Amino acid sequence: GENVEQHPSTLSVQEGDSAVIKCTYSDSASNYFPWYKQELGKGPQLIIDIRSNVGEKKDQRIAVTLNKTAKHFSLHITETQPEDSAVYFCAASSSASKIIFGSGTRLSIRP
Amino acid sequence: NAGVTQTPKFQVLKTGQSMTLQCAQDMNHEYMSWYRQDPGMGLRLIHYSVGAGITDQGEVPNGYNVSRSTTEDFPLRLLSAAPSQTSVYFCASSNHREWNGYTFGSGTRLTVV
Repeated sequence: GENVEQHPSTLSVQEGDSAVIKCTYSDSASNYFPWYKQELGKGPQLIIDIRSNVGEKKDQRIAVTLNKTAKHFSLHITETQPEDSAVYFCAASSSASKIIFGSGTRLSIRP
Repeated sequence: NAGVTQTPKFQVLKTGQSMTLQCAQDMNHEYMSWYRQDPGMGLRLIHYSVGAGITDQGEVPNGYNVSRSTTEDFPLRLLSAAPSQTSVYFCASSNHREWNGYTFGSGTRLTVV
């Protein structure tokens, strides 16, 4: 079946450094790629997304890149801060009823 | 604007008991879904609905029922709770016509003993 692989499962970076999380998808029909941040005890929250007609999108310290040919997309967080510590999920979808989530990355920011 | 509201936040059930997890959204979203989240397994779709009166099964529907009598509400029923249903449950909604990601509720942590 269709799947989304997410790496790494855990990531620890020094405060101020950059963090990169990578995902690979299998469904060629996927055209929308959201990223969610889940803080402890809360539901996932959409932080950035990208559509298949765009190669890169930035929003302040976070950016997402998409390589449709290779079926790869990545989340980049620059100048990391303690409040960036959370679990991050990628997802690939072609519609609201067809979305597959990655297994998550636990990001820890070391002071 | 409350978004997606889930109740209760925590629940402990005994094996064999039944209960309903409530979910309501006030964004007039057509699409609503239920996910369960287990350690190391990400989010798995239980049931979803594309509008009032329409529901369908997701990846892990066994042991759960849903109904969608209104656009706002999408309750999830556990018919006879089992320890394997111990999990965190999330309700989510989205605009089906303009798909731009889910809005998730804050979750219900369920323990079945």
